[in-house]
Amino acid sequence: GAVVSQHPSWVICKSGTSVKIECRSLDFQATTMFWYRQFPKQSLMLMATSNEGSKATYEQGVEKDKFLINHASLTLSTLTVTSAHPEDSSFYICSALRRGEQYFGPGTRLTVT
Amino acid sequence: AQSVSQHNHHVILSEAASLELGCNYSYGGTVNLFWYVQYPGQHLQLLLKYFSGDPLVKGIKGFEAEFIKSKFSFNLRKPSVQWSDTAEYFCAVNAGTASKLTFGTGTRLQVTL
Repeated sequence: GAVVSQHPSWVICKSGTSVKIECRSLDFQATTMFWYRQFPKQSLMLMATSNEGSKATYEQGVEKDKFLINHASLTLSTLTVTSAHPEDSSFYICSALRRGEQYFGPGTRLTVT
Repeated sequence: AQSVSQHNHHVILSEAASLELGCNYSYGGTVNLFWYVQYPGQHLQLLLKYFSGDPLVKGIKGFEAEFIKSKFSFNLRKPSVQWSDTAEYFCAVNAGTASKLTFGTGTRLQVTL
């Protein structure tokens, strides 16, 4: 139990376009999900906390207008990278909170050319 | 703000060797502590966690960790590693604020046959 999926697993897009990444909790409901960014050989950096039915809470330094988060249902949160640039290329990981524990998705590799 | 330090960035061990990975955190209040593992190509999985009680915590796959409050440490140990333990290991801390996790930079463990 407690499975979290992400789609797509990898995506390549051109600079200036927008990309949407989905995070789903498959067998449980999650009012809270988290979005992380992981650079090569570095740690996971929390970008934002996604709360179902309300606005996301962004960490300091994260542009909320660039990284749009929508948590429209208890099983789905989406992260949209708007007007992507090469510096946005990274590994994006989501997690869903269940009974005080975070369950992680497999991640999405984004490459912006 | 809390921070987490993992001093070993890359560890190479032979099978059957003993393992200890260091983790130190900086936060003066009550914390919840976690160790996660990320096998190649897979998502983060919880190895073990400490919330309260016995400071020696046993997790999956023979791993254990000891919380030493006076040293702000939560080191991960395993008496005898296996080749299949080759992975990236992350220490994480939650200081009770909305279940947000702060991750260490990770330790890459390579176990040789």
